[in-house]
Amino acid sequence: EDQVTQSPEALRLQEGESSSLNCSYTVSGLRGLFWYRQDPGKGPEFLFTLYSAGEEKEKERLKATLTKKESFLHITAPKPEDSATYLCAVQARGQNFVFGPGTRLSVLP
Amino acid sequence: EAGVAQSPRYKIIEKRQSVAFWCNPISGHATLYWYQQILGQGPKLLIQFQNNGVVDDSQLPKDRFSAERLKGVDSTLKIQPAKLEDSAVYLCASSLEGWGWQETQYFGPGTRLLVL
Repeated sequence: EDQVTQSPEALRLQEGESSSLNCSYTVSGLRGLFWYRQDPGKGPEFLFTLYSAGEEKEKERLKATLTKKESFLHITAPKPEDSATYLCAVQARGQNFVFGPGTRLSVLP
Repeated sequence: EAGVAQSPRYKIIEKRQSVAFWCNPISGHATLYWYQQILGQGPKLLIQFQNNGVVDDSQLPKDRFSAERLKGVDSTLKIQPAKLEDSAVYLCASSLEGWGWQETQYFGPGTRLLVL
């Protein structure tokens, strides 16, 4: 059965304190790994898609990387507006999205 | 480009009552998804439509949940009768095709349901 786990469950950072979020997955035939950001009371907002091990993508202070078993979302010099829940989802061959439980990020000024 | 629209945004009902949610996907998107997101968890797929046909409803509790997508555009999700454990956010998402390679899904704001 496809599984997605995320760690840590919650993370509190000071503004400017860089860190990484982890998404570990067990799927057969990965087609894509997706990162979303979800603000309270809103739907998930698409950030990145990663297709194969070794791939990296960047957007502002965020950088996503992918290996054969996990993905990392690196946050460099975060700001309070980066506070949100970050969700990862995997799509296996012939399957629909399976979401992880998310990491709640708080960035304090 | 307008995003995915959902209504109502909030709904409070008593257990055993019925409730319906509406979704309008991004224009031109063939595939529509309904997800259930319980507090503190990631979204869980309930049903996927390709145009107006059902592709995947394996996790839809069919004894109480139903969904339709008329004319391949708007969709409604209904719960009848509601149980306490149905309290959650119901998210609608759409994608361009849904069966292609690594399709990105775009989400609406969700409907928050509280069953008392």
